[in-house]
Amino acid sequence: QKEVEQNSGPLSVPEGAIASLNCTYSDRGSQSFFWYRQYSGKSPELIMFIYSNGDKEDGRFTAQLNKASQYVSLLIRDSQPSDSATYLCAVTSAGGTSYGKLTFGQGTILTVHP
Amino acid sequence: DAGVIQSPRHEVTEMGQEVTLRCKPISGHDYLFWYRQTMMRGLELLIYFNNNVPIDDSGMPEDRFSAKMPNASFSTLKIQPSEPRDSAVYFCASSNPSNTQYFGPGTRLTVL
Repeated sequence: QKEVEQNSGPLSVPEGAIASLNCTYSDRGSQSFFWYRQYSGKSPELIMFIYSNGDKEDGRFTAQLNKASQYVSLLIRDSQPSDSATYLCAVTSAGGTSYGKLTFGQGTILTVHP
Repeated sequence: DAGVIQSPRHEVTEMGQEVTLRCKPISGHDYLFWYRQTMMRGLELLIYFNNNVPIDDSGMPEDRFSAKMPNASFSTLKIQPSEPRDSAVYFCASSNPSNTQYFGPGTRLTVL
C-alpha cells in the first residue's frame, strides 16, 4: 500500500462547478497535510495546509481533514480553466528522524473545460 | 525574497559525464530537500538536510548520486557518471520549521 494515495484522474469538470480532490494516507501519526498545485512544466506551488480536523477555507479553496478516516480532500469552488493542473497531496511523517519530511501522492490531473 | 534558486534550468549531457545541480534555499530556512520527478515515478525525495547536515538519504538511487550542503545558502547534487535513466526534472525545496516547503523552478536533465 502506498503511503499517500490519490486518484490519478484525469478529473474533468465544467467551468463553474465544484472540483473535489481526494487523498488518503497510511501513517496514522501524520500531523500536517498540504495541497500543492503543479502546472505543466512548472514546479509545485503550495495552495493550502491543514493541521486540525475539519474544514479550512481560503478563497475558492477548502481543505477538509478527517484524521480518524485518514482522509484529506480539497474542494475548488467555481472552477476556472486556469485551475487545470496536477494537484499533489503531501503529508508529513510522524516525527523523530523524519521530522520535516513530506511524502507526496502521485497527483490528480484536473481539467476544467469551458 | 527571491525564492529558491536552482541552476542550471536545463542540462543536456552525454552518458558517462558528471552533472552538478545547484540550489540556493530561501534565507532563514533550515531544511533543504532534493527531489526527482518523472512521469513514471512521480515526485521522489532523494535526500534532505537540516542545518546543513544530511538527515535522510534513503532516496538516493545509488552511489552515483551524492549531495552536499557546505553552508546554509548553497547545496549541490552530483551525478557521476550520468546515465540515460537519470533523465528527469530535479527540484530543490526549502522549508522553515513549520514544514511548509517551497520549491525552486527545477532543473530539467537530459542524459543522451
